[in-house]
Amino acid sequence: QVQLVQSGAEVKKPGSSVKVSCKASGGTFSSYAISWVRQAPGQGLEWMGGIIPIFGTANYAQKFQGRVTITTDESTSTAYMELSSLRSEDTAVYYCARDRVSAVVNRGYSYDFDYWGQGTLVTVSS
Amino acid sequence: QSVLTQPPSASGTPGQRVTISCSGSSSNIGSNTVNWYQQLPGTAPKLLIYSNNQRPSGVPDRFSGSKSGTSASLAISGLQSEDEADYYCAAWDDSLNGHVVFGGGTKLTVL
Repeated sequence: QVQLVQSGAEVKKPGSSVKVSCKASGGTFSSYAISWVRQAPGQGLEWMGGIIPIFGTANYAQKFQGRVTITTDESTSTAYMELSSLRSEDTAVYYCARDRVSAVVNRGYSYDFDYWGQGTLVTVSS
Repeated sequence: QSVLTQPPSASGTPGQRVTISCSGSSSNIGSNTVNWYQQLPGTAPKLLIYSNNQRPSGVPDRFSGSKSGTSASLAISGLQSEDEADYYCAAWDDSLNGHVVFGGGTKLTVL
């Protein structure tokens, strides 16, 4: 059974950066895309970007371009999302989520997320 | 303001059938498939429907999805108390270099 386990809650100052990890187990890490989705308190879901580990390149939502970096470490089956220049509006629960279909089979992202991490609360406050 | 438009709330009594709509545009629903997620309070979203009308293994056939033009809908038949949750539609959007867009979510209350 696939599991995505995320790092713990963070409290950050405005202007700083945060790096959240997402460790996968129980499946083939490299060939499935991982996306990051955030949810502000009481709000809806927002896609930030994704990465296919075996291909190595990430794609980002334009809103977060220049401020977010998504990477992976295949040796530990871990994906990372780093968000910089934090502001209060970035306070949210951040989720990692895995594509349902292998990127090798699908020749790219499928963007339908069948496994999710438990979420990491990032609080930005002075 | 979400790119995909959903009603903020819906309700029904046990056993009833309810539908939740999701309206988009030619750059998202009109040209790409729609997925639906269920989010129970305090938990991560769960994939309910993919590719417009396909159910992942383990999702009861009480849940069904459809798409027509630039709109989609989720139907839940035989409503049960455990269906009380937030529901989100999602699709790939070809604009702005491409990105996943979500609806604002619909809070379903089982009366």
